[in-house]
Amino acid sequence: NAGVTQTPKFQVLKTGQSMTLQCAQDMNHNSMYWYRQDPGMGLRLIYYSASEGTTDKGEVPNGYNVSRLNKREFSLRLESAAPSQTSVYFCASSGGGQGKNTLYFGPGTRLTVL
Amino acid sequence: EDQVTQSPEALRLQEGESSSLNCSYTVSGLRGLFWYRQDPGKGPEFLFTLYSAGEEKEKERLKATLTKKESFLHITAPKPEDSATYLCAVQPRSTLTFGKGTMLLVSP
Repeated sequence: NAGVTQTPKFQVLKTGQSMTLQCAQDMNHNSMYWYRQDPGMGLRLIYYSASEGTTDKGEVPNGYNVSRLNKREFSLRLESAAPSQTSVYFCASSGGGQGKNTLYFGPGTRLTVL
Repeated sequence: EDQVTQSPEALRLQEGESSSLNCSYTVSGLRGLFWYRQDPGKGPEFLFTLYSAGEEKEKERLKATLTKKESFLHITAPKPEDSATYLCAVQPRSTLTFGKGTMLLVSP
């Protein structure tokens, strides 16, 4: 069981470039989430998908789009990157039985926008 | 608005020196309170979920407790390997709201 995997681990972009962060989980979870973590700000929810086929905005959705490709995969796209999007991005999943609300996190993607 | 406040922001302990981390919250209906541990450069790792006031959970040197307004993470006789950032999160609805964390450093 790999749990939650994210690619890439590191990325450097120039302002205006686009990229997609990939996330996959092998725990048969229904819900998946994208968070960003910034110094002094804690983890903030960008978008989430409560189940396959649905997506909803979180606290800080501006400048991002998401796709729930199937039950396993949830991607985050930056269409035109800005320096304010420099952050560490975490994907998480939850679902299934007792403790179904518990989030399980991936290792993160460290993104720098120049 | 849902709020989670963790204190202190940072804590330095000597090995064996017990202490507590605090997580106070304001939410409109609590469905769960979660504690996570995060090591530098890694994703948060789940520790505990508490659902109702009076509930307690333990794991090795850690014990989490919950009241109607706050939760404590008690660390008994900590070791250097307990050094990490500890995150608290609340679930008022379908998603979690996180605090900013407490950075714990345990010196030998």
